[in-house]
This record gives sequence, C-alpha cells and structure tokens, in this order.
Amino acid sequence: QVQLQESGPGLVTPSETLSLTCSVSGDSMRSYYWAWIRQPPGKGLEWIGYIYPTGSTIYNPSLMSRVDMSMDTSKNQFSLKLTSVTAADTATYFCARGPTMVAKFWGYWGQGTLITVSS
Amino acid sequence: DIQMTQSPSTLSASVGDRVTITCRASQSVSSWVAWYQQKAGKAPKLLIYKASNLERGVPSRFSGSGSGTEFTLTINNLQPEDFATYYCQQYGDFFLTFGGGTKVQI
Repeated sequence: QVQLQESGPGLVTPSETLSLTCSVSGDSMRSYYWAWIRQPPGKGLEWIGYIYPTGSTIYNPSLMSRVDMSMDTSKNQFSLKLTSVTAADTATYFCARGPTMVAKFWGYWGQGTLITVSS
Repeated sequence: DIQMTQSPSTLSASVGDRVTITCRASQSVSSWVAWYQQKAGKAPKLLIYKASNLERGVPSRFSGSGSGTEFTLTINNLQPEDFATYYCQQYGDFFLTFGGGTKVQI
C-alpha cells in the first residue's frame, strides 16, 4: 500500500523560503510522476508542479520563478522549495502520486500539511 | 494555460437524486480529464480518469463523460456520503489545471 506523508515547518515568515518534504513508503519512486498541490483555506486546488522519474520538472507558470522541486530516491523522498513567500502562499500543501506510470492525475495523496505564512 | 470552468459552484440535492456537474475546458484536452471528491479536512480522492474510466473501488453510481472541451460527472442515486466538493482536472497539457470545484450540499 503506497503511503505519502508531508512534513514541514507549519509557520513560515514572509519573504522566507518554504521547504516541504514528502516521504514515500510502499513502492519505488522510480516509475511514477510525483506532484505538489496546494489549497488555500476555503478555496480550490492549485497544482504547483510535478517531477518526472528522471528528476526533471514541470512547474505551474504562475509559480515557476519561485518553485524548486527535487527527488531523493535513495531516501524515498521528494521535496518542494517555494521562495519569497507571502500570505497568499498560506495553504494546505499536498504531495501526490499518479496511479500508473504515465499518469498526470493523482491516485495517491498525502494527508496534507497546513502552512501558514505570518510574522 | 488551459482554463477549466466548472459549474455549478454549489448544488443542493437530496438523497436519491441524480446530479450532474459540468467542466468546460478553454481548449481541447481530448479525454484527459479526471474527477476528484474531497470531504472537509481530507485529501481529494480520485473518482474518474480519462473522462469516463472509473477508478478501482469507486461505486458505479459515479460516471463521467465527454471529450474535447465539455465534460460531465454524474452521480446517480445520491448517497449521504456523497455530499462533498468535486473537482475536475485536465492533464492534456504539460501544465495541469483544476476546475474551481462544485460543493454538493443538502
């Protein structure tokens, strides 16, 4: 059974960098797309980006200048860094995996972690 | 970017009803659309992929249809556990987008 678990700081100061990690258990990381998706309180879902099994990435154009994703297959983890955060980045952040090797839709999700941007 | 316009934003229904939710893409995405259900405080759950394929374990009262720019999610015989928010997502492009969501309420 594939399981994903986000971990992060909970609170981030404006203008600082948000760093999140998704730990994966129950399957290899090498054969799927892996994504970050966020949801501001009371609002809809926003795709942040995904990372290919090769380690190459595709980001949401609206966030591209501030986003960096990476993968460490030896640790079964992938990570998100979002720079220069503002209150608008306050959201629940989910990591997710496609259900099949070529899927860019998301069959497995972490429980989500709420990140608040505030001084 | 491909925009996904979902309607209605809120839908009032009763147990046993048939409900239909629509997503319109700003350009053709072929059949590359997925639908999700999200309950309060939980991660979304995949219901439908490639417009009409039911994810394993999802009840058959859920169905999807459409291609090109018009897609629908239909729930037959609405059950109490189906009251939730539903989202469409296109993956016909490198850049993915979600619809704004439809809250199905009593």
